[in-house]
Amino acid sequence: KQEVTQIPAALSVPEGENLVLNCSFTDSAIYNLQWFRQDPGKGLTSLLLIQSSQREQTSGRLNASLDKSSGRSTLYIAASQPGDSATYLCAVSSQGGSEKLVFGKGTKLTVNP
Amino acid sequence: KAGVTQTPRYLIKTRGQQVTLSCSPISGHRSVSWYQQTPGQGLQFLFEYFSETQRNKGNFPGRFSGRQFSNSRSEMNVSTLELGDSALYLCASKRNRDRGNQQYFGPGTRLTVT
Repeated sequence: KQEVTQIPAALSVPEGENLVLNCSFTDSAIYNLQWFRQDPGKGLTSLLLIQSSQREQTSGRLNASLDKSSGRSTLYIAASQPGDSATYLCAVSSQGGSEKLVFGKGTKLTVNP
Repeated sequence: KAGVTQTPRYLIKTRGQQVTLSCSPISGHRSVSWYQQTPGQGLQFLFEYFSETQRNKGNFPGRFSGRQFSNSRSEMNVSTLELGDSALYLCASKRNRDRGNQQYFGPGTRLTVT
């Protein structure tokens, strides 16, 4: 059974700092991995999608890496801003004919001005 | 292009009642999935529909059911509501079942059971 863990559960940083969020998964047989952002009480916004054959994806100040063999992914946020404050969720899509995403519990990020 | 829409956005029901939630996917998207989000369990997969057929189901009791219409709109129904069903219910759509496609989530329906 696939399990996804995100560490840390919460993170508070000063504005301008570069930071890394971690995600680990137990079964390396994945199709892809997605990073989402969720603002309080809202739905999920997809940030980056990494296919199992890829090592990383970049979008603006965000860079996500994937090491499938070790079951790990990191989301790097450069020059953090208060508007980056949100919960960041990692989710994997596993092989086996399922569209099901398995989510981690998320990392709650607070960027202080 | 309009995003995924969910109605209603908020709902308060009494234990024992039933409820129906609606999801309209992005135009052209044919796969719709439903998730339940609670503070304790996080996000959990409920089921996925594609071409009006349920393709996958999560580990939820039979009180949770759904369907998809020919225009890809989907509904989920929860019967005999329990207090533990209070949650944010999120719907996500994909263009098709290609693994390379992203899922796009709606804003959710906040269900409170009293």
